[in-house]
Amino acid sequence: AQKVTQAQTEISVVEKEDVTLDCVYETRDTTYYLFWYKQPPSGELVFLIRRNSFDEQNEISGRYSWNFQKSTSSFNFTITASQVVDSAVYFCALSERSDSWGKLQFGAGTQVVVTP
Amino acid sequence: SAVISQKPSRDICQRGTSLTIQCQVDSQVTMMFWYRQQPGQSLTLIATANQGSEATYESGFVIDKFPISRPNLTFSTLTVSNMSPEDSSIYLCSVEKSPSEGYTFGSGTRLTVV
Repeated sequence: AQKVTQAQTEISVVEKEDVTLDCVYETRDTTYYLFWYKQPPSGELVFLIRRNSFDEQNEISGRYSWNFQKSTSSFNFTITASQVVDSAVYFCALSERSDSWGKLQFGAGTQVVVTP
Repeated sequence: SAVISQKPSRDICQRGTSLTIQCQVDSQVTMMFWYRQQPGQSLTLIATANQGSEATYESGFVIDKFPISRPNLTFSTLTVSNMSPEDSSIYLCSVEKSPSEGYTFGSGTRLTVV
């Protein structure tokens, strides 16, 4: 069963618009990690954030912000004032304590297209 | 975070042949992970490689098809054996440098089987 769901396949926005990417996860573990990665057209995976299950504080890093809500099993990602360079596929991933910590279970990814 | 050098970056191979992908890490790590990303798809873990022991394969992946070596704490190889067009994918290795950092990925090997 899919443990990480990214329901949005593609989101298209015009530059300077905000865009929010949804991520819903499923786990029975009380200890787990959540991640977001960016994959630009060049193909490399760029780490954005890692959050453990005990830290529900929202985080902001420049134009990026993350909203972690255990009550709804969601870990959403917002890009504020989007730029063309934000165009990429964004993956949400889960790592569970009951499994190997290094095993990342990825969502299907959301393609973000930012046009000038 | 750790720096990973992955080779080759891309290759076009004939069906029935094998390709060995290398990952070199700039520091010692306990576990290395190999992922596959099929065209337009997400990443799927193939196996976990610990130094000094056999790799642990995920469901749907077998050692005969994807043999892995881990001769030391900074290096691993993944071989894609007896390739078919369905093996055309991006293959990536990954390591965790420290608990406070995310998992770092190699730049990937884009494999096309013809």
